[in-house]
Amino acid sequence: DQQVKQNSPSLSVQEGRISILNCDYTNSMFDYFLWYKKYPAEGPTFLISISSIKDKNEDGRFTVFLNKSAKHLSLHIVPSQPGDSAVYFCAASAVNDMRFGAGTRLTVKP
Amino acid sequence: NAGVTQTPKFRILKIGQSMTLQCTQDMNHNYMYWYRQDPGMGLKLIYYSVGAGITDKGEVPNGYNVSRSTTEDFPLRLELAAPSQTSVYFCASGVVDTQYFGPGTRLTVL
Repeated sequence: DQQVKQNSPSLSVQEGRISILNCDYTNSMFDYFLWYKKYPAEGPTFLISISSIKDKNEDGRFTVFLNKSAKHLSLHIVPSQPGDSAVYFCAASAVNDMRFGAGTRLTVKP
Repeated sequence: NAGVTQTPKFRILKIGQSMTLQCTQDMNHNYMYWYRQDPGMGLKLIYYSVGAGITDKGEVPNGYNVSRSTTEDFPLRLELAAPSQTSVYFCASGVVDTQYFGPGTRLTVL
């Protein structure tokens, strides 16, 4: 069962604009949500996380929004830069469990 | 600070062979994790550990074993390699809302 879903396999945006990556989950027991960025042939790099008791967390150009009633979270990148081009994974954690989405490939065009 | 290191980077195994994937972290994290990533998929949790001497199964533990005798090391053992275990394996360490990943081991079983 896929408890964390990223329904958009790819996203293309113009440099300087906003990138919005979406993620849906089914298990209401998840208590932390995380976003990772991954380049080819490298391990994922942690970007930002949010606790289930919050609805927003911001770190520089990255903001994560959590809508618990909709079981939906999103990552906003503003402004987008060409170096942001990578695969982005959302993940959700609970006691004794960690689930990842399949990833969204972001391409930022100069 | 080397972070999380994994060896080897690449390995080809024959069906039925065994091997150990090594993982070491120098950040004094209690939590350590092993994941596998199949093509086009998200990461799946194989095993995790919350401290030396304590390990537990994740989503896909069959065919693998782990041990955690020290805080720094968390090796993953494949006893009887099967083609279904062809994947990229990532080790991670961290805390509940942040994980740091190693560069991965690409394993092919023929």
